[in-house]
Amino acid sequence: DSGVTQTPKHLITATGQRVTLRCSPRSGDLSVYWYQQSLDQGLQFLIQYYNGEERAKGNILERFSAQQFPDLHSELNLSSLELGDSALYFCASSVAGLDQPQHFGDGTRLSIL
Amino acid sequence: QKEVEQDPGPLSVPEGAIVSLNCTYSNSAFQYFMWYRQYSRKGPELLMYTYSSGNKEDGRFTAQVDKSSKYISLFIRDSQPSDSATYLCASYSGGSNYKLTFGKGTLLTVNP
Repeated sequence: DSGVTQTPKHLITATGQRVTLRCSPRSGDLSVYWYQQSLDQGLQFLIQYYNGEERAKGNILERFSAQQFPDLHSELNLSSLELGDSALYFCASSVAGLDQPQHFGDGTRLSIL
Repeated sequence: QKEVEQDPGPLSVPEGAIVSLNCTYSNSAFQYFMWYRQYSRKGPELLMYTYSSGNKEDGRFTAQVDKSSKYISLFIRDSQPSDSATYLCASYSGGSNYKLTFGKGTLLTVNP
């Protein structure tokens, strides 16, 4: 058990809809990262938050947004969903600033019908 | 060219074999190198984490980094059926940049 909790485990929705994925980092970790995993692209970095502030952005679409709350949990919001957004979305956390490795949750599987 | 390249396999070996998994990277700024193991329907699990060139051993696992040739390897000794998973290499440059760049993963099956 990595200590990173993601909910829900599986989400099924339709094109055009909006969903919110939730992540609780490991106790003591200030940094949260979001990744998207698909068969053709592999694991792709989306965005990083550190102690509530956005730290780095990767290949994140404008339809996607994230935030980290004062209690350090994070949410990834996906809107105007398209079929191609179907993927596994992972959250990872680390004690950023000390060059510590990232620990991953078990992901949310998003299926767009 | 992708920043981290990994042979996707699949790789199938008999139990007890020595397994060699390899990645190459192109970004000279990468300083930290990791191997993750991912079982089906689970998140990546950190196996090995190295900073410098050379070898790092942990039980049956050895990670090897050669920065001069931008080559990273993971060796698994006495492989077990429970080692069957997808193995992902990853790198990042450190400093203020903690963005992990992953290879696409190698699917390993260890047959009893």
